[in-house]
Amino acid sequence: DSGVTQTPKHLITATGQRVTLRCSPRSGDLSVYWYQQSLDQGLQFLIQYYNGEERAKGNILERFSAQQFPDLHSELNLSSLELGDSALYFCASTGPQGTEAFFGQGTRLTVV
Amino acid sequence: EDQVTQSPEALRLQEGESSSLNCSYTVSGLRGLFWYRQDPGKGPEFLFTLYSAGEEKEKERLKATLTKKESFLHITAPKPEDSATYLCAVQDLTNTGNQFYFGTGTSLTVIP
Repeated sequence: DSGVTQTPKHLITATGQRVTLRCSPRSGDLSVYWYQQSLDQGLQFLIQYYNGEERAKGNILERFSAQQFPDLHSELNLSSLELGDSALYFCASTGPQGTEAFFGQGTRLTVV
Repeated sequence: EDQVTQSPEALRLQEGESSSLNCSYTVSGLRGLFWYRQDPGKGPEFLFTLYSAGEEKEKERLKATLTKKESFLHITAPKPEDSATYLCAVQDLTNTGNQFYFGTGTSLTVIP
């Protein structure tokens, strides 16, 4: 158990809908990263938050947004969903040094 | 641009047959190189961090080494339970966000 919790584990929704994925980092970790992993694809960096503020952006679509709350949990919002958004979404957290990311078990999103 | 290339894409070994996985990287300045293990449908599991050329880390049947351009993950006398995808990632010193750049992984299958 990495200590990073993601909910829900599975999500099935229709095209055009909006969903919210939740991540609770390890206790004491300030930084949260979101990644997308499509079938047979590598981990694609989406966005990073540090102590409530956006720190870095990767290949995140405009239909996607994220935030980190005062209690340090983070949410990834996906809207106007398309079939191609079906993927595993992972969050990871790091400690004060910012190295050694620990990943949650992911949310498997299926868009039908 | 930071790049991580892993080879081979897939590797099949007989139980007990040792081998090595390769991770070549290009970064402006290496902050750290990380190895992860990922089982199907699960989140990546942290294995090792390497910070400087010449550094080595070991854990059970796995040993990771680092040079200025690449890292190797040596697997000695593998067992079927070592079957997984092994991911390599780097952090670039020049990136304020400290995001992790992942390779696409090596899928290892160990046959009994």
